Amino acid sequence: EAGVTQFPSHSVIEKGQTVTLRCDPISGHDNLYWYRRVMGKEIKFLLHFVKESKQDESGMPNNRFLAERTGGTYSTLKVQPAELEDSGVYFCASSQLTTDGEQFFGPGTRLTVL
Amino acid sequence: GDSVTQMEGPVTLSEEAFLTINCTYTATGYPSLFWYVQYPGEGLQLLLKATKADDKGSNKGFEATYRKETTSFHLEKGSVQVSDSAVYFCALMEYGNKLVFGAGTILRVKS
Repeated sequence: EAGVTQFPSHSVIEKGQTVTLRCDPISGHDNLYWYRRVMGKEIKFLLHFVKESKQDESGMPNNRFLAERTGGTYSTLKVQPAELEDSGVYFCASSQLTTDGEQFFGPGTRLTVL
Repeated sequence: GDSVTQMEGPVTLSEEAFLTINCTYTATGYPSLFWYVQYPGEGLQLLLKATKADDKGSNKGFEATYRKETTSFHLEKGSVQVSDSAVYFCALMEYGNKLVFGAGTILRVKS
């Protein structure tokens, strides 16, 4: 069974540009989460989808970040326009629709904003 | 809000040494507790978990016990190997399945 995949693995962009990150969860996992780790600090929650609906987006830093999950399958996270402080590693995770279901993480996308 | 504090690294050990990585938490209620590990170039993997007080999670020789009285979940291993070199994250699960992580501890094991 394929794990959670993320694309791209690395992205280097200029301040003010737009970047879109993609996450493909494990097939059949209705829960999808985005997290971010900035500058070697804590990994912080960004948002949670249940199927195609946003269940919790309390961790989204500001309105420059837009997450979508069309059809309840893969998800995209767009940053527009990117700022220097957006640099970090963006992780995606998925889990089944059960209480306390184990979250399976992707390898992350390392975003560098210059 | 809830938070997790874990010891800063990097922690450098010789092979077969004893490992302890401290983790304490602040939370309302009694959340489930986790240790995740990230090997170089890979995503986070669940290492072990405990869902209630006094539970002991264990996997691959690693252990951690959920201590309600000290709000701690320290990770231990009796004899580390070079292959254990990785970043270790302590985490708790808030209501709504949201994970709250510590800052991570780099472990380096020398042969």
